Amino acid sequence: GIQVEQSPPDLILQEGANSTLRCNFSDSVNNLQWFHQNPWGQLINLFYIPSGTKQNGRLSATTVATERYSLLYISSSQTTDSGVYFCAVWDDYKLSFGAGTTVTVRA
Amino acid sequence: KAGVTQTPRYLIKTRGQQVTLSCSPISGHRSVSWYQQTPGQGLQFLFEYFSETQRNKGNFPGRFSGRQFSNSRSEMNVSTLELGDSALYLCASSLDGQGGGYTFGSGTRLTVV
Repeated sequence: GIQVEQSPPDLILQEGANSTLRCNFSDSVNNLQWFHQNPWGQLINLFYIPSGTKQNGRLSATTVATERYSLLYISSSQTTDSGVYFCAVWDDYKLSFGAGTTVTVRA
Repeated sequence: KAGVTQTPRYLIKTRGQQVTLSCSPISGHRSVSWYQQTPGQGLQFLFEYFSETQRNKGNFPGRFSGRQFSNSRSEMNVSTLELGDSALYLCASSLDGQGGGYTFGSGTRLTVV
């Protein structure tokens, strides 16, 4: 199966700071999604981004499929951005997830 | 439109018992997948149902089973519960389960004591 690696594993930010999360994958993919897991456990869709760049408010994502990585940018972070961010790629018949990046935003 | 609904939200069971979890997908979505999330193993694929048929299965013992009904609602069953089955069980739905965007439910947190 496809290996998915996320970095860094943990990130502590001061409110208002910007950050970049990275996702590397071991093979070509035609589907990549970023999720935010809230404190209650729900995985919230952030982006469906097999290639290119997308933006949604303070969040944006870029996937460079030919180089097998994706980046998630958080700008002007807020305490509500805290949680675990997962990258997942389509692997034959299932989503393969990275281990996640735990983001803590301090007021 | 309504999202993916999972019930119950929390469950406490005793070793050896069995449990059934329910998932109602987004209207029009025909594929339902189940994932198990634990601190040690992360998010792992259990199985996927499409049009009432199990299409794919992950690497889990036969104690884990499921089914899908004609309205696309799915249930997952775990028999002879073990302590290691304690986890967050997440259900995801998609139109066709062919790699398009997935939407997840809030999950069922199962604790086995």
